[in-house]
Amino acid sequence: QQPVQSPQAVILREGEDAVINCSSSKALYSVHWYRQKHGEAPVFLMILLKGGEQKGHEKISASFNEKKQQSSLYLTASQLSYSGTYFCGTEGGGATNKLIFGTGTLLAVQP
Amino acid sequence: GAGVSQSPSNKVTEKGKDVELRCDPISGHTALYWYRQSLGQGLEFLIYFQGNSAPDKSGLPSDRFSAERTGGSVSTLTIQRTQQEDSAVYLCASSLDGIRGYTFGSGTRLTVV
Repeated sequence: QQPVQSPQAVILREGEDAVINCSSSKALYSVHWYRQKHGEAPVFLMILLKGGEQKGHEKISASFNEKKQQSSLYLTASQLSYSGTYFCGTEGGGATNKLIFGTGTLLAVQP
Repeated sequence: GAGVSQSPSNKVTEKGKDVELRCDPISGHTALYWYRQSLGQGLEFLIYFQGNSAPDKSGLPSDRFSAERTGGSVSTLTIQRTQQEDSAVYLCASSLDGIRGYTFGSGTRLTVV
């Protein structure tokens, strides 16, 4: 099943923080996060493996709680360049490593 | 190459015609994926190739869709007897070994008229 992301959309002012959640009904082995700007391909941000480890990428970090089958992406002190649609991709382990992408969260950062 | 290359970037075809979409992954990447993205929608998994293993075709929507990967490198996605609902952006991605981040190509925008 497709992971569910929340919120569906969020509007921020520059410098504000945001949290995007990704929830799966299936056990997870890993979670990926990607950002897609309008008319462009998705760009990889980070991967989290089961173990609850929090990773960081500049002012963007994420956590993964495999017991709750959830991941959260944290954007702090948002910049205009953060605007785009964020997708989580989940992988449940097993024979193949394909990602099933979430429903997406549209983030708009305004000056 | 430096990135994942897809061709053509745009394709307009008549309903009922066959189309072939090409993907050239990053050199050395053993994993290759095809996804489909309809307007304003998320990424729908189609097919996954990993090395010499049998591909995971579980996402192909019908038997009109097929894909192959020759020599562990270039992949071709073929859609036979195209329908209007096939209109979408078809994205190819590759990964070093299937457990790293994906690098996506710029996609092929397919329009069936």
